[in-house]
Amino acid sequence: RKEVEQDPGPFNVPEGATVAFNCTYSNSASQSFFWYRQDCRKEPKLLMSVYSSGNEDGRFTAQLNRASQYISLLIRDSKLSDSATYLCVVIMNTGFQKLVFGTGTRLLVSP
Amino acid sequence: DTAVSQTPKYLVTQMGNDKSIKCEQNLGHDTMYWYKQDSKKFLKIMFSYNNKELIINETVPNRFSPKSPDKAHLNLHINSLELGDSAVYFCASSPYDRNTGELFFGEGSRLTVL
Repeated sequence: RKEVEQDPGPFNVPEGATVAFNCTYSNSASQSFFWYRQDCRKEPKLLMSVYSSGNEDGRFTAQLNRASQYISLLIRDSKLSDSATYLCVVIMNTGFQKLVFGTGTRLLVSP
Repeated sequence: DTAVSQTPKYLVTQMGNDKSIKCEQNLGHDTMYWYKQDSKKFLKIMFSYNNKELIINETVPNRFSPKSPDKAHLNLHINSLELGDSAVYFCASSPYDRNTGELFFGEGSRLTVL
């Protein structure tokens, strides 16, 4: 079983739609959680951290459910520019900042 | 001014050859990483160095040898290249003393082994 699992998609949605991605992680000792965004043929970049209480950044909302070991990302009012791959990232409790990436969920927003 | 820069960006070579990828960061970070992203887009950590000291060494064939001459540089040397080594290799850096989860990635080096 992979340490961090995501539905690869693609998720095809029209502009303006709301879309949600989930991610599950296997190690219950995982400490911290993040969403990264990767555009086609580009490097990954941090999108947002995921806090236990949930957090929002504009149209993006991230939530963490430690009991069920999953993380979610909700995007409201999708824009064409949101088309990208969204990577779920978990920091394992190794004493060092070892980030483990999920395989990513591809989002395609169409006009 | 590029924060994390890798060279070369593209590398096409024959099986059995030896090649190196260089990485430099000007962010003053203590920790640097090499990640491999395969054709299925899975991004997997290979190595991590903190102040020139190896701290993470995943299950990577010993044909791969990282070298960190100073904390701003982390190079990756690959011996006896195989077809399965074809991938995009990303270098990244982060400040060690803050567990922010933010890695700063280079643009990647796309290696194709023929």
